Amino acid sequence: LAKTTQPISMDSYEGQEVNITCSHNNIATNDYITWYQQFPSQGPRFIIQGYKTKVTNEVASLFIPADRKSSTLSLPRVSLSDTAVYYCLADSGGYQKVTFGTGTKLQVIP
Amino acid sequence: SAVISQKPSRDICQRGTSLTIQCQVDSQVTMMFWYRQQPGQSLTLIATANQGSEATYESGFVIDKFPISRPNLTFSTLTVSNMSPEDSSIYLCSVRGVVNTGELFFGEGSRLTVL
Repeated sequence: LAKTTQPISMDSYEGQEVNITCSHNNIATNDYITWYQQFPSQGPRFIIQGYKTKVTNEVASLFIPADRKSSTLSLPRVSLSDTAVYYCLADSGGYQKVTFGTGTKLQVIP
Repeated sequence: SAVISQKPSRDICQRGTSLTIQCQVDSQVTMMFWYRQQPGQSLTLIATANQGSEATYESGFVIDKFPISRPNLTFSTLTVSNMSPEDSSIYLCSVRGVVNTGELFFGEGSRLTVL
């Protein structure tokens, strides 16, 4: 299972764009990069998934360079409600188990 | 998508007792995952439960302490046995959605406090 490394915490002001980088040097060929968001007292929630290049949805963008050894989750114009822990996973889906890294605790400041 | 219901949502337990957590999914799934999340920490995988077979436990977790049942494709239980204060955690049940996307869905968790 590919290990992922992310910053433990980040602070950002409301309205700013936030970029959270994840390192996954040993990612396997069939692994996707998947990001989850977790609010206090809730289970993690899927945000976005990609294999390479750029993926965008209504919540975030995900940038994955050609070598796939890292990825960046981009949250545009964050609000206070984006304060949460964000987890980056290298996951091949299917019947594979999933282990979580430390996650990044994002604190959005008014 | 998958909707997961967990019971109880929270409980306060006495040292030495056991508690069973239930996980109900609104669709049939092959694999169910049980995680533990200690206060302020990330999620740690306890075991993977497949219907009709014994659960597969991760290093540091044993069946005697965390027995799991998986009687059908929509339901599983996790028992936390002979509890101590160190077992105070949130326990989360998870399943995959559509297999080819691999997206994980989680229940709201069961918050256990052991006194």
